[in-house]
Amino acid sequence: QKEVEQNSGPLSVPEGAIASLNCTYSDRGSQSFFWYRQYSGKSPELIMSIYSNGDKEDGRFTAQLNKASQYVSLLIRDSQPSDSATYLCAVLRVSSGGGADGLTFGKGTHLIIQP
Amino acid sequence: ETGVTQSPTHLIKTRGQQVTLRCSSQSGHNTVSWYQQALGQGPQFIFQYYREEENGRGNFPPRFSGLQFPNYSSELNVNALELDDSALYLCASSLGTGGYIQYFGAGTRLSVL
Repeated sequence: QKEVEQNSGPLSVPEGAIASLNCTYSDRGSQSFFWYRQYSGKSPELIMSIYSNGDKEDGRFTAQLNKASQYVSLLIRDSQPSDSATYLCAVLRVSSGGGADGLTFGKGTHLIIQP
Repeated sequence: ETGVTQSPTHLIKTRGQQVTLRCSSQSGHNTVSWYQQALGQGPQFIFQYYREEENGRGNFPPRFSGLQFPNYSSELNVNALELDDSALYLCASSLGTGGYIQYFGAGTRLSVL
């Protein structure tokens, strides 16, 4: 059973601080990793994608991947109230037969940035 | 805006009825994936269509079926609706299968009474 685990929160962070979101996954065959942001009542919006071990930075966001430990993290620097949302971790395992397994999502972490 | 459009935005059905949801993919994208998101949960993969063929399926019963058309738009059909089918249904399009980024539409909120 493929699983993606996230702390559901809520995670409360003061404005201007660093928010750290974590995700672990069980399927060692996972090859692609994504962070989506979802505001209440809206659809998921891609924040970051990462495919190889290490860090990937994009503006205030940094994604970190450690395949040996099977975890992915997202750091948000200089957190803003508009960052308050649910953050979904998603992993993709490409089937050896060429068919799609689809994204496997965690339940999401609810992040609250306190002004 | 992702360029992925879904219709309708909201739908109310009664148990036992059938429903069809529609999705237009982003220009240039040939792959459409469908997900079901229950309240407080992450999206669950239903199936994926690539070049008009079902390319993969999650753990959903056969009463969930789909189509993809030559213009790569797609439909999700659900027969014999159950109360637990109440959810947000999300369509995502991508340039292809594999590790391509999936871009989501705004979703269809289905309520089954």
